[in-house]
Amino acid sequence: GQNIDQPTEMTATEGAIVQINCTYQTSGFNGLFWYQQHAGEAPTFLSYNVLDGLEEKGRFSSFLSRSKGYSYLLLKELQMKDSASYLCAVDNDYKLSFGAGTTVTVRA
Amino acid sequence: GAGVSQSPSNKVTEKGKDVELRCDPISGHTALYWYRQSLGQGLEFLIYFQGNSAPDKSGLPSDRFSAERTGGSVSTLTIQRTQQEDSAVYLCASSLGTSRHNEQFFGPGTRLTVL
Repeated sequence: GQNIDQPTEMTATEGAIVQINCTYQTSGFNGLFWYQQHAGEAPTFLSYNVLDGLEEKGRFSSFLSRSKGYSYLLLKELQMKDSASYLCAVDNDYKLSFGAGTTVTVRA
Repeated sequence: GAGVSQSPSNKVTEKGKDVELRCDPISGHTALYWYRQSLGQGLEFLIYFQGNSAPDKSGLPSDRFSAERTGGSVSTLTIQRTQQEDSAVYLCASSLGTSRHNEQFFGPGTRLTVL
């Protein structure tokens, strides 16, 4: 089976940094995605990791350790618009297996 | 169109009725996926199409659920004899193919409520 765990909720202050952890145990692995989903909207792509290490893209960075089955998404210089759900998803050949999502609330 | 579109955006139906949900993928995307998102839970894979074929239907919860895709484009997810536990947001996604870094683009979803 597929097991993907991430925290349910996180709260942070505008301008701060937040790290969302994701651990996974899956039958296959072709990479790990992070998606952002605002309430009532479609998930949108943030990042993709297939090799170990850090991928940086502006204020967002994502890290992967395949041996540990672990990833994190780092959000820097938080803005109010970053309040959303962040979804960790493992690519199993073609279909994505998702965690339940982490709701991040940014406070002024 | 510019993105994946789904219709209707909201559907309220009575238990026992059949419903059809529609997905228009991004033009040129050969792969199409249906997911279900229940309250407080992660997205759950339902079915995957490559062209008009569905190599993986393993996520369909029961034989009341079926899907088809025609012309390598539009897909319809049909739920027969709906039950209250079918209430969820049904999301469709498409991608260029199934090569590595297979970014999936999601539609806005159809919120289904079964009374």
